[in-house]
Amino acid sequence: ETGVTQTPRHLVMGMTNKKSLKCEQHLGHNAMYWYKQSAKKPLELMFVYNFKEQTENNSVPSRFSPECPNSSHLFLHLHTLQPEDSALYLCASSQQTTRAFFGQGTRLTVV
Amino acid sequence: DQQVKQNSPSLSVQEGRISILNCDYTNSMFDYFLWYKKYPAEGPTFLISISSIKDKNEDGRFTVFLNKSAKHLSLHIVPSQPGDSAVYFCAATTPRAGGGADGLTFGKGTHLIIQP
Repeated sequence: ETGVTQTPRHLVMGMTNKKSLKCEQHLGHNAMYWYKQSAKKPLELMFVYNFKEQTENNSVPSRFSPECPNSSHLFLHLHTLQPEDSALYLCASSQQTTRAFFGQGTRLTVV
Repeated sequence: DQQVKQNSPSLSVQEGRISILNCDYTNSMFDYFLWYKKYPAEGPTFLISISSIKDKNEDGRFTVFLNKSAKHLSLHIVPSQPGDSAVYFCAATTPRAGGGADGLTFGKGTHLIIQP
C-alpha cells in the first residue's frame, strides 16, 4: 500500500467508448502525475499537476483528457481511443520532491 | 531520443552474489536520480535515490553510485536474494524553478532474475 489508489485495476473498452480512470492519494502531496507504460518502452510521463494546475503535457493526444479537481484526486478521461493506446496507466504523487509514489496502475485494453 | 538508458534488458545473477544494474543519461541538467523496483501487476516502488552532489548512497543491501563525468549510475545489490527478482527502473529529474515537482524521466528497465 503506497497511499496512491487507482481504479479500476483493469478496463476493456471499445474505440467509441468514453471512460475515466481515477486516482486518489492519501499522502497530502501537492503534485500528481499520469504515466503510460507500453510493452518494451520506458514509463512515459503524460501529465503533471502541481497544486491542481497542469504544468506539463508531454504532447499527449487530445483523446486523453486529464482533470485534477483537488490536490488529492486525479482523473484521466478517455474517448475514441485506438488499440495502440492499450497499456498500463500509472498515477503517481509527490510532495515538492522528486520521489514519486505510484499507484498499482490500470491495465487498459482497447478493442 | 532517450535521455535515460538502461542497455541491459535483463540480468541473471546467482543468489548470494552481487547484482549490478547500470544506467546512463544524456541530459546534463539532471541532478537527482532514483531507482524503482517493479513487480508484475504492481506499480513501481521507490528503492533508493542519489543527489548529484553525492557520488554514493547506501541503504542496507542497496548502494547507488553516481559518476557525473561519465553520466553513469549503477545500483549494487549485495547479497542478492530471490525476492529481488523484479524489473528495476532508473529515473532522473531536473530542478524545478519556483518549487513544485517535475516528472521523472525513466529508462526502459532491467529485468533482474535471481537464480537459486
